[in-house]
Amino acid sequence: DAKTTQPPSMDCAEGRAANLPCNHSTISGNEYVYWYRQIHSQGPQYIIHGLKNNETNEMASLIITEDRKSSTLILPHATLRDTAVYYCIARGLYGGATNKLIFGTGTLLAVQP
Amino acid sequence: DGGITQSPKYLFRKEGQNVTLSCEQNLNHDAMYWYRQDPGQGLRLIYYSQIVNDFQKGDIAEGYSVSREKKESFPLTVTSAQKNPTAFYLCASRERERGGLPGELFFGEGSRLTVL
Repeated sequence: DAKTTQPPSMDCAEGRAANLPCNHSTISGNEYVYWYRQIHSQGPQYIIHGLKNNETNEMASLIITEDRKSSTLILPHATLRDTAVYYCIARGLYGGATNKLIFGTGTLLAVQP
Repeated sequence: DGGITQSPKYLFRKEGQNVTLSCEQNLNHDAMYWYRQDPGQGLRLIYYSQIVNDFQKGDIAEGYSVSREKKESFPLTVTSAQKNPTAFYLCASRERERGGLPGELFFGEGSRLTVL
């Protein structure tokens, strides 16, 4: 699975869009990009995933560059409840016997009032 | 409602004692996982099970043991052999892969173990 790189922390004003970057320059053609978030002292929560097309759901949008070497998770109107650690994970098809996701240290998003 | 339940939420143990953390899911998921999280760090995989009566070691299995006698249950025992057991433990489950694409992981609320 491709290694991902994220900034350790970011701030965002409440009500503004939060744009969380992720670098995955070694991603291969069959690897998807997944995003999870973890609110303090809780289990991580799935947000969204994508391969090469931009994706949107009720929680967020995922923008993947054309060369797929990086992506951005967008929370369109951040609220205080969006303060959390956000994990970007690259995961291939047919992960083999391990069938697992590898969580790095993520980005701590602090939404400011 | 369907979900994953971990218990206890907080647990204290003396050095040299074994302790078992419970994880139960009613999502009818085949695969279940145990992760460990230390302050300021990501999640590290301890054990996983893709089907009943089968489980595999993850990246940091030493000092831990599991069982998977029922689809709904995947308890984790932290043994006295685990040198640094104080941590936040997370259990997760997900559906079987479809078309090679893993489904989303569903996590429990976690169990915080403190060794005194």
